[in-house]
Amino acid sequence: GENVEQHPSTLSVQEGDSAVIKCTYSDSASNYFPWYKQELGKGPQLIIDIRSNVGEKKDQRIAVTLNKTAKHFSLHITETQPEDSAVYFCAASEGYSGAGSYQLTFGKGTKLSVIP
Amino acid sequence: DAGITQSPRHKVTETGTPVTLRCHQTENHRYMYWYRQDPGHGLRLIHYSYGVKDTDKGEVSDGYSVSRSKTEDFLLTLESATSSQTSVYFCAISDGQGSYNEQFFGPGTRLTVL
Repeated sequence: GENVEQHPSTLSVQEGDSAVIKCTYSDSASNYFPWYKQELGKGPQLIIDIRSNVGEKKDQRIAVTLNKTAKHFSLHITETQPEDSAVYFCAASEGYSGAGSYQLTFGKGTKLSVIP
Repeated sequence: DAGITQSPRHKVTETGTPVTLRCHQTENHRYMYWYRQDPGHGLRLIHYSYGVKDTDKGEVSDGYSVSRSKTEDFLLTLESATSSQTSVYFCAISDGQGSYNEQFFGPGTRLTVL
């Protein structure tokens, strides 16, 4: 099955600096890579995703890049703000597997702290 | 926010007792999932459903059962709770349209088994 590794597990940055979180995956059939943000006491919130036919996607201060050859993808947050402090999860999926489900495999999370 | 509610939001129970967690959605999505979240493990899939009465096991299904009698409700049952099942449980939904799988999560249920 799929295995997703996420690094670093914790990350501290100064407000205004950039933050980068990296994930690698093992299954070359994976073609969908979402990122979730989880604030304390809440459920994960989908913030951005990328599909295998795209190398980069940007939404305001966040961007995701995908390298299918190397099987890794990254989340970039620019001009970080205190409200960006949260736990971020990457995930991978091979889409419809034919077994009735689109299963997501998650990384173990990165706790991002933005220091004012 | 996606229309997903979970109940109860917090529960403390004793080892050996049965526990049922409920997930309710108002989005009419076909797929529903139950995950558990533990420190150092991220989110792990317990069971999922791809339609009414259609369910299957995930990565960590031992000790859990599920039922889906209506599109909007997905129940997770711990037949005889153990301390290792102390965790935060999240329900997720997706519409299953197309080739990709955008999953949206509920607010979670914190379960403590003493």
